[in-house]
Amino acid sequence: RKEVEQDPGPFNVPEGATVAFNCTYSNSASQSFFWYRQDCRKEPKLLMSVYSSGNEDGRFTAQLNRASQYISLLIRDSKLSDSATYLCVVNKGKLIFGQGTELSVKP
Amino acid sequence: GAGVSQSPSNKVTEKGKDVELRCDPISGHTALYWYRQSLGQGLEFLIYFQGNSAPDKSGLPSDRFSAERTGGSVSTLTIQRTQQEDSAVYLCASSLDSGGSYNEQFFGPGTRLTVL
Repeated sequence: RKEVEQDPGPFNVPEGATVAFNCTYSNSASQSFFWYRQDCRKEPKLLMSVYSSGNEDGRFTAQLNRASQYISLLIRDSKLSDSATYLCVVNKGKLIFGQGTELSVKP
Repeated sequence: GAGVSQSPSNKVTEKGKDVELRCDPISGHTALYWYRQSLGQGLEFLIYFQGNSAPDKSGLPSDRFSAERTGGSVSTLTIQRTQQEDSAVYLCASSLDSGGSYNEQFFGPGTRLTVL
């Protein structure tokens, strides 16, 4: 079993849709959690950190449930420019990446 | 300011040859990381440096892989006797520190390695 597992995707949604990404991790010693975004043939970039209290950044909301070892990312009112692969990342002294979920937002 | 840079951007080599990949981290970043991303896969951790030392080499897939860092700055990843399964994008990242609290890792554009 992989240490970080994500929805396999791909997700194809129309503009304006709400889309949710889910992620589970297996190591309870994991220290911190993140969502990265990776555009096609580009390097990953930090999208947002994930806190137990939940955190929001504009249209993006991230949640962490340590008891269930579950992380989520919600994108509201999706835009064409949100099309990318979203990587769930766990830090346990080194970053462990999920396989990523590809999102394609269509007009 | 300048971000993480990597060279070459693309490398095509023949099976059995050695290759050397270079990473220039952001100035002042003490921690440096190497990852590998195979087609359709997530990033796989290879090794990280704190200064010139490598506390964690656990991700190196075989003894054909080695890395060094000199002067606390530039790092090279060397793959000896390349195999076709080594084909991947090799990504380098750097951060201010690898210590307790997380410092954002900034990634370079990667080197796309193709072994024929």
